[in-house]
Amino acid sequence: GNSVTQMEGPVTLSEEAFLTINCTYTATGYPSLFWYVQYPGEGLQLLLKATKADDKGSNKGFEATYRKETTSFHLEKGSVQVSDSAVYFCALSRTGANNLFFGTGTRLTVIP
Amino acid sequence: EPEVTQTPSHQVTQMGQEVILRCVPISNHLYFYWYRQILGQKVEFLVSFYNNEISEKSEIFDDQFSVERPDGSNFTLKIRSTKLEDSAMYFCASSETRGGGQETQYFGPGTRLLVL
Repeated sequence: GNSVTQMEGPVTLSEEAFLTINCTYTATGYPSLFWYVQYPGEGLQLLLKATKADDKGSNKGFEATYRKETTSFHLEKGSVQVSDSAVYFCALSRTGANNLFFGTGTRLTVIP
Repeated sequence: EPEVTQTPSHQVTQMGQEVILRCVPISNHLYFYWYRQILGQKVEFLVSFYNNEISEKSEIFDDQFSVERPDGSNFTLKIRSTKLEDSAMYFCASSETRGGGQETQYFGPGTRLLVL
């Protein structure tokens, strides 16, 4: 089947710390992988995506690389800011389909 | 920037009552979705909708659920007879096209439904 497992939170970091949120997946075929972010009171927003193995998605200083050999798509940022405080969701979609399979979300709090 | 909107933001209902959750997708989008997240659990796909019919649904989307696009702008999710276990955050999403899994879906802020 298709599923996503992501690191449980909450995660609390100091400003300028390095962030990693782990995400691994199980899927048939060649899925596309996504990171969505949800800021307080808002909807889920696409943060970045990768559609094939070894692709790196990046946005707003965040990066994630599609690793087929380890079935992973870990989210990283070199220096987090208070404004990065949000819930981060890893997700996949199957080839030829549109529905997304999500992880449980990881709440990140960045303190000054 | 265009966005998906949902109303109400919160709804409390009694078990057995019908609820309708409303969504206004982005205006030029053609594909619409509902997802839900029970507290502490994963966001789960419920249904996708295109050209006035359901294109895909999960096993969660049973006969108690229905979707409709009653006019050119709204997209609704109806739960006919709510159960306690329907309590969740319900997210609406839309996408411009069906991109074979690569298309970006744009999500609304969610409706938190509490069934008592």
